[in-house]
Amino acid sequence: SAVISQKPSRDICQRGTSLTIQCQVDSQVTMMFWYRQQPGQSLTLIATANQGSEATYESGFVIDKFPISRPNLTFSTLTVSNMSPEDSSIYLCSAVDRVDTEAFFGQGTRLTVV
Amino acid sequence: AQSVAQPEDQVNVAEGNPLTVKCTYSVSGNPYLFWYVQYPNRGLQFLLKYITGDNLVKGSYGFEAEFNKSQTSFHLKKPSALVSDSALYFCAVRDITAGGSYIPTFGRGTSLIVHP
Repeated sequence: SAVISQKPSRDICQRGTSLTIQCQVDSQVTMMFWYRQQPGQSLTLIATANQGSEATYESGFVIDKFPISRPNLTFSTLTVSNMSPEDSSIYLCSAVDRVDTEAFFGQGTRLTVV
Repeated sequence: AQSVAQPEDQVNVAEGNPLTVKCTYSVSGNPYLFWYVQYPNRGLQFLLKYITGDNLVKGSYGFEAEFNKSQTSFHLKKPSALVSDSALYFCAVRDITAGGSYIPTFGRGTSLIVHP
């Protein structure tokens, strides 16, 4: 199965600043996703990263706050903009190659905003 | 629409005993079903999946799950639990009918605690 490298693994940021999280897959994949997870809780889908076009955002998430790039079939970034303490969470990158295969995940980025 | 229910927030079991983590699903068509495990400070790791065929699927680390269409369930099982199995477990479903999505829906997670 493919391997996702996600970085940084953790960061502590000042409120009002922005953080960009990178996700690199070791093979080309059809779909890439970004999730948010509170520790010990379930996953909330932020958006689907579309290659060569704007990401598709879920309800409650907007491009100005969470801009996403996907320049090719192996790489995506998520930026958390103008951060507040409420953005403190774990952010997970995920990818799927075919509809009948499992999604696989990066190791996550634990973000703390102070 | 697709949804997943994991009715137990936490399951406690003694080491060496069998374990079951429950999952029920709802889809408008046919499901693809998945189990993942998450250890502290890690991403989700794939355990096993049901796509088609035999209702009993075997996965990593000795885990297995049984697809039951009539009960719309996909419970995760292991004959003999290990302390190292203690983790957070997620069930996920994807509706594979025409127009079905690549995006899985995850359950809320079940914390498995295996006591020595």
